Amino acid sequence: RKEVEQDPGPFNVPEGATVAFNCTYSNSASQSFFWYRQDCRKEPKLLMSVYSSGNEDGRFTAQLNRASQYISLLIRDSKLSDSATYLCVVKSGTASKLTFGTGTRLQVTL
Amino acid sequence: GAGVSQSPSNKVTEKGKDVELRCDPISGHTALYWYRQSLGQGLEFLIYFQGNSAPDKSGLPSDRFSAERTGGSVSTLTIQRTQQEDSAVYLCASSLAPVSEQYFGPGTRLTVT
Repeated sequence: RKEVEQDPGPFNVPEGATVAFNCTYSNSASQSFFWYRQDCRKEPKLLMSVYSSGNEDGRFTAQLNRASQYISLLIRDSKLSDSATYLCVVKSGTASKLTFGTGTRLQVTL
Repeated sequence: GAGVSQSPSNKVTEKGKDVELRCDPISGHTALYWYRQSLGQGLEFLIYFQGNSAPDKSGLPSDRFSAERTGGSVSTLTIQRTQQEDSAVYLCASSLAPVSEQYFGPGTRLTVT
């Protein structure tokens, strides 16, 4: 079983739609969680950290469910510019390395 | 300010040759990481440097892979006797401290023919 699993998609949604991605992780000792965004042939960039209490940044909301070991990302009022691959990322224990999911591809259309 | 830079941006090499990939982290960042991303795969951790501590090499896939970081700044990832399965994008990241956000460079796309 992969340490971090995501539905690869693609998710094709119209502009203005709300879309949600889920991610599951296998290491119950994982401590830090993130969503990164990666545009085609570009490097990943941090979108937001995910906190136990849930957090919101504009149109983006991240949630963490430790009991079920999953993380979610909700995007409201999708824009064309949101089209990208969204990477679920987990940091476990004292290690500083990040463990990445394979990503979920989002395509927002007119 | 300047971000993480990597060179070369693209490298095509013949199977069996050695290659060196370079990473210049953001100035002042003490932590430096190497990852690779193969087609259709997630990013795979390779090695991590923190200050003067011994590097975490737990992600290196074989003894053909090695990396060094000189003077706590620039890092070089060396792949000896390259194989076709080494073809991937090699990404370097740096962070101000181990718990801080990691900033990625643009990567080196390696193709082994």
